[in-house]
Amino acid sequence: KAGVTQTPRYLIKTRGQQVTLSCSPISGHRSVSWYQQTPGQGLQFLFEYFSETQRNKGNFPGRFSGRQFSNSRSEMNVSTLELGDSALYLCASSSLPATSGIDTGELFFGEGSRLTVL
Amino acid sequence: TQLLEQSPQFLSIQEGENLTVYCNSSSVFSSLQWYRQEPGEGPVLLVTVVTGGEVKKLKRLTFQFGDARKDSSLHITAAQPGDTGLYLCAGAGRGAGSYQLTFGKGTKLSVIP
Repeated sequence: KAGVTQTPRYLIKTRGQQVTLSCSPISGHRSVSWYQQTPGQGLQFLFEYFSETQRNKGNFPGRFSGRQFSNSRSEMNVSTLELGDSALYLCASSSLPATSGIDTGELFFGEGSRLTVL
Repeated sequence: TQLLEQSPQFLSIQEGENLTVYCNSSSVFSSLQWYRQEPGEGPVLLVTVVTGGEVKKLKRLTFQFGDARKDSSLHITAAQPGDTGLYLCAGAGRGAGSYQLTFGKGTKLSVIP
């Protein structure tokens, strides 16, 4: 079956701009989680959506937002970009909510969207 | 806030050598996962350990979950160049009032032919 698809794979923006990243989960998966990966901080949790509802949110400023559509596709948006937002943004899908408290199932990650802010 | 400390941060070894990577925390986790990430790709799940003291083997890789469910280790026997990558541990547990999956910063392994 098709894996997790993230678009775009690479993008360059300048400070102050905004960006929207897209994630299409594995067919049948209703949970989508977003992570920011940087060399210094590793993978940091942004938020998780399940059936169009945000289940959990990480410790990021309000400039970072997301949503999920009825077909489970998800988008995340970063407004007023800062240099420190340069990172690999990873999306992961799972059949159950990753933060459900149930024995954690496998997260299937996409290849990521690499954002460079100049 | 739940934190996972991975060590070492970087590891460069010759093909055929053995190695161990550690993942430690002061928090208790209900389960712990290990992922491997190769350049230009997303992490891929290797194993999930759930029970304290549990040991799982995946070919040349051996994973252990600590008795107190606060730490884990990954041991690779006779490392191969194909083992090269970033190894990430991720703990599932309750933190800051909500259930979370917390990742360590990773161990970057290079196996030299």
